[in-house]
Amino acid sequence: EIVMTQSPATLSVSPGERATLSCRASQSVSSSLAWYQQKPGQAPRLLIYGASTRATGIPARFSGSGSGTEFTLTISSLQSEDFAVYYCQQYNNWPPLTFGGGTKVEIK
Amino acid sequence: EVQLLESGGGLVQPGGSLRLSCAASGFTFSGYTMSWVRQAPGKGLEWVSSISPAGDYTESADAVKDRFTTSRDNSQNMVYLQMNSLRAEDTALYYCAKKKVGTNPFDDWGQGTLVTVSS
Repeated sequence: EIVMTQSPATLSVSPGERATLSCRASQSVSSSLAWYQQKPGQAPRLLIYGASTRATGIPARFSGSGSGTEFTLTISSLQSEDFAVYYCQQYNNWPPLTFGGGTKVEIK
Repeated sequence: EVQLLESGGGLVQPGGSLRLSCAASGFTFSGYTMSWVRQAPGKGLEWVSSISPAGDYTESADAVKDRFTTSRDNSQNMVYLQMNSLRAEDTALYYCAKKKVGTNPFDDWGQGTLVTVSS
């Protein structure tokens, strides 16, 4: 099973600032890495797939990078609606499909 | 517009059974792998199971294997999760999600149905 590890668990950021979230895989997942955003009381929403491709309708301030075992999600200038929990997920080698534990982005 | 609407959750005693349903619309249902993902209260996301577009192949997480069965009815655009021998640790919000066949992420999710296992 591929274990996904996200850091930090919580990130405190001021609106307008840049946020950088990390995700590490226990073995290579190539570029088969997705990022999801989940707001309280809502279902997860696909943000990024293929490590760096934005899903339909996702603003350009969200960007993803990395391959192999190290990945990054960057939010260039945090808006109020971006405060949420973010999960990474590998879909290269399954079963099982595995998620990271999440990073909560909160207002500083 | 893609819609995934889960139903069937509720309170059940340990050892009991429950059947979840997911009604899909707005896309070619028979062309997608359908999955269940759960989220325990205050916790992260956990993949539960997936079923192939034709319904002839399923995969399940070790935690639910031999207890949960996933099926689908392409004529009704429905996917099901039959949950038997339920345990307290199965308490979670259960999401239905779709993904393209092959190496692809979950591109749409339902709003979830809550399953609580407690005496």
